[in-house]
Amino acid sequence: AQSVTQLGSHVSVSEGALVLLRCNYSSSVPPYLFWYVQYPNQGLQLLLKYTTGATLVKGINGFEAEFKKSETSFHLTKPSAHMSDAAEYFCAVSYYNQGGKLIFGQGTELSVKP
Amino acid sequence: EADIYQTPRYLVIGTGKKITLECSQTMGHDKMYWYQQDPGMELHLIHYSYGVNSTEKGDLSSESTVSRIRTEHFPLTLESARPSHTSQYLCASSEFGPQADTQYFGPGTRLTVL
Repeated sequence: AQSVTQLGSHVSVSEGALVLLRCNYSSSVPPYLFWYVQYPNQGLQLLLKYTTGATLVKGINGFEAEFKKSETSFHLTKPSAHMSDAAEYFCAVSYYNQGGKLIFGQGTELSVKP
Repeated sequence: EADIYQTPRYLVIGTGKKITLECSQTMGHDKMYWYQQDPGMELHLIHYSYGVNSTEKGDLSSESTVSRIRTEHFPLTLESARPSHTSQYLCASSEFGPQADTQYFGPGTRLTVL
């Protein structure tokens, strides 16, 4: 079955440090890949997505992610964390033949220490 | 900016009551979705619609029902609420186009059934 795994339900970094949130998918067919962010008591906001083309994707708020087909990964990074980055981050995939339905990972809560 | 609205934002209700969670979008999107999200967990698709008079069940079984009489409106109904229905419900919409279309999320309704 197709699934998404986010390694680490909680990640804590210091302000100014590198942010790395991991996402792996399991399928033989490369999916479309998404990262969403959820702030407390809010809905999800799209950070970035990969469909085709360049495997390094830049998103909002200084985040970027790289699709690595050989590793079935789509890790999210940001060079320097801000306090405002503290939130829940969800990786998600969809497949061409499934009508755009998203399959979500379990989420990673990012904490940023001053 | 995405315009998708959910009401109420918070609802506390007794067992056995009938409830309707409202979701409206002003973007003219054909596709709409309902997700269920328990605290600290991933989102699970419970219903979706590809247009007026189209509704389908999602991957997670749910006792709720939905209707799509107007493009902009996708309400979710629970005929008899139970404590097991306590959760956050998120509505989303997207264009009917390329498979990797972005889903835009509402702020969610947090339901508590006593």
